[in-house]
Amino acid sequence: DAGVIQSPRHEVTEMGQEVTLRCKPISGHNSLFWYRQTMMRGLELLIYFNNNVPIDDSGMPEDRFSAKMPNASFSTLKIQPSEPRDSAVYFCASKLGTDSTDTQYFGPGTRLTVL
Amino acid sequence: TQLLEQSPQFLSIQEGENLTVYCNSSSVFSSLQWYRQEPGEGPVLLVTVVTGGEVKKLKRLTFQFGDARKDSSLHITAAQPGDTGLYLCAGGGGSNYKLTFGKGTLLTVNP
Repeated sequence: DAGVIQSPRHEVTEMGQEVTLRCKPISGHNSLFWYRQTMMRGLELLIYFNNNVPIDDSGMPEDRFSAKMPNASFSTLKIQPSEPRDSAVYFCASKLGTDSTDTQYFGPGTRLTVL
Repeated sequence: TQLLEQSPQFLSIQEGENLTVYCNSSSVFSSLQWYRQEPGEGPVLLVTVVTGGEVKKLKRLTFQFGDARKDSSLHITAAQPGDTGLYLCAGGGGSNYKLTFGKGTLLTVNP
């Protein structure tokens, strides 16, 4: 079975440009998470969807960040405009269930560099 | 805000050595998970512990959840180069979906 798929794997852009990261969760999973990982702050939860509905977006840094999940098989994270401090690895994860003990399956991540 | 502190931050050892890494918090967690992340990949779940004092073994890896459910440890026996990676602990709040991640221990096992 295919795992969580993310694209692109690497993105280099200039400050001020719009960036869109994409995620295809594992089929049948009803929970989807977007995380950001940096050396300084570790792995941080940005937003959580359940059954395609955003449940918790308290981790989204500011209005420049937005996320959508138009259907059960696709989600996007958009940054507009991008800034150098947004440089990080962004992970999408999905799981079946809503309990914290349910196994989250992470994608390979998108490494974003904003110049 | 619940925080998880992991130590050491970096660890470099020779193949065959034993090691222990730690995950500590001032908060109580309902569950504790350990993940391993290899370069260029996402974290992969190794184990979930839910009961204070619980010990789980996965081949050469032994995981323990503290009695008070505020801390956990991961012990690796006879480390191998394939154990190299970033080990992350993550605390859960029961039926709450959210996990709080530590910053990780970066382990390098040299042949």
